[in-house]
Amino acid sequence: DIVMTQSPDSLAVSLGERATINCKSSQSLLKSSNNKNYLAWYQQKPGQPPKLLFYWASTREAGVPDRFSGSGSGTDFTLTITSLQAEDVALYSCQQYYSSPLTFGPGTKVDVE
Amino acid sequence: EVQLLESGGGLVQSGRSLRLSCGASGFNFHDYAMHWVRQAPGKGLEWVASISWNSDTIDYADSVMGRFTISRDNAKSSLYLQMHTLRGDDTALYYCAKDIDSSRWHYLDYWGQGTLVTVSS
Repeated sequence: DIVMTQSPDSLAVSLGERATINCKSSQSLLKSSNNKNYLAWYQQKPGQPPKLLFYWASTREAGVPDRFSGSGSGTDFTLTITSLQAEDVALYSCQQYYSSPLTFGPGTKVDVE
Repeated sequence: EVQLLESGGGLVQSGRSLRLSCGASGFNFHDYAMHWVRQAPGKGLEWVASISWNSDTIDYADSVMGRFTISRDNAKSSLYLQMHTLRGDDTALYYCAKDIDSSRWHYLDYWGQGTLVTVSS
C-alpha cells in the first residue's frame, strides 16, 4: 500500500498570510504513460464532509478560489494558500489514486493565528 | 445538483451488524464507481470499500475484509455497506462518495454528509 504522510500536523497563520502544507507519498504517483500525478487534495471544514480542491496534483476543481494552488510531482506535493482567509480554517488532506487501496494522508489542520 | 444521503448509522454493540445506505440523486448513478470512506472521531480519512459501476470490481480495506460487504442497486440509485462483527475501532462517521470514473478508482468529487456508527463494548 502507498503510505501518505503530511507535514505539519497543524499550523496557525495570520489572516492574509501564506499557508503551506506538504504531502509525501511512499512511492511515486507519477504515471509515465500519461505524465500525470495521481494525487488529490481535499478541504474539510468543521462539521462538514470533505470537499475536493485539486486533482492530478494541480488541477483546481471548479469554484475553488485561486488563492489555493497545488504543486509537486513524483513523491512530494504542496498545497499553498497564498492569502489565508477566515473561511479557510479546515483540515486539509491529500489522497493518492495511483493504486488500490486508495490512501489518504493524516491531514493538516489550518487555523488562524 | 448532486446529492448523496447516507442513513443507517447508530449505536450498536460490539459483534453485532449494521447496514448503511446511501441514496444518490442529481447524476447518472449507474455511470460511476462509488466508495465508502470513514473518519474516526478526531482522526483522518480512511478508505473502506469501493464498487465499480456494474459491481464487477469491488475492493476492501484490509481492516474490514471479510466483515463488510459493499453493494449497489443502480435501479434505486443506492449504495450499501453491510457491516458484520462490528468492533470498537469501526466507530466512525461513514461517508458515501462518488468517483469521477466508472470502474477505476480515482478522486472523489462528491461526498455525503455522513452517518455515524458507534460501536459499544
